Amino acid sequence: GDSVTQMEGPVTLSEEAFLTINCTYTATGYPSLFWYVQYPGEGLQLLLKATKADDKGSNKGFEATYRKETTSFHLEKGSVQVSDSAVYFCALPTSSGNTGKLIFGQGTTLQVKP
Amino acid sequence: DAGVIQSPRHEVTEMGQEVTLRCKPISGHNSLFWYRQTMMRGLELLIYFNNNVPIDDSGMPEDRFSAKMPNASFSTLKIQPSEPRDSAVYFCASSFRGQGRVQPQHFGDGTRLSIL
Repeated sequence: GDSVTQMEGPVTLSEEAFLTINCTYTATGYPSLFWYVQYPGEGLQLLLKATKADDKGSNKGFEATYRKETTSFHLEKGSVQVSDSAVYFCALPTSSGNTGKLIFGQGTTLQVKP
Repeated sequence: DAGVIQSPRHEVTEMGQEVTLRCKPISGHNSLFWYRQTMMRGLELLIYFNNNVPIDDSGMPEDRFSAKMPNASFSTLKIQPSEPRDSAVYFCASSFRGQGRVQPQHFGDGTRLSIL
């Protein structure tokens, strides 16, 4: 069945370091892929998305490329800031009917130190 | 544009009491989702609605939990009677479901529920 696997956290980086959070998926067909971010005390917010193979989603300096060959959608940022400290979730729609239901990874906590 | 609005933001009550959480989805959205988030179990989908009709409630933990969506702009999640293990953050999310690609869900800020 459909599934999303994210790298285990927490990830601790110094400010201005390079960030990669790995996400791989199992799905039927080529679904849209999403990254969400959850800041402390808030709900999940859509960070970026990609709708087809080789698409690159980007927002706020974050990027992720839809790689169908490796079934991956890794999140990257060239220079992280303290304000990027949050939990990041990779997600994709379930392939069982057009329900709008999303499958989320377990989340990866990022802590950026000054 | 107003996002998904949840109320209350915080709720503290004693076990055995009835708890009602409320959600107003984004206008024009036709799908609504209720989630629960805890440290132990992460983010769990409880139930979701399409066009005000419950589609899948398999994530509802027990009969103590019930959800309704009487119209396109309002939904409730009720716990009766509440227990300490129900303590969690409850999120509501909405999206537009059409014929094309699945659209992203938009989340409210959640209700932090503490059952004493």
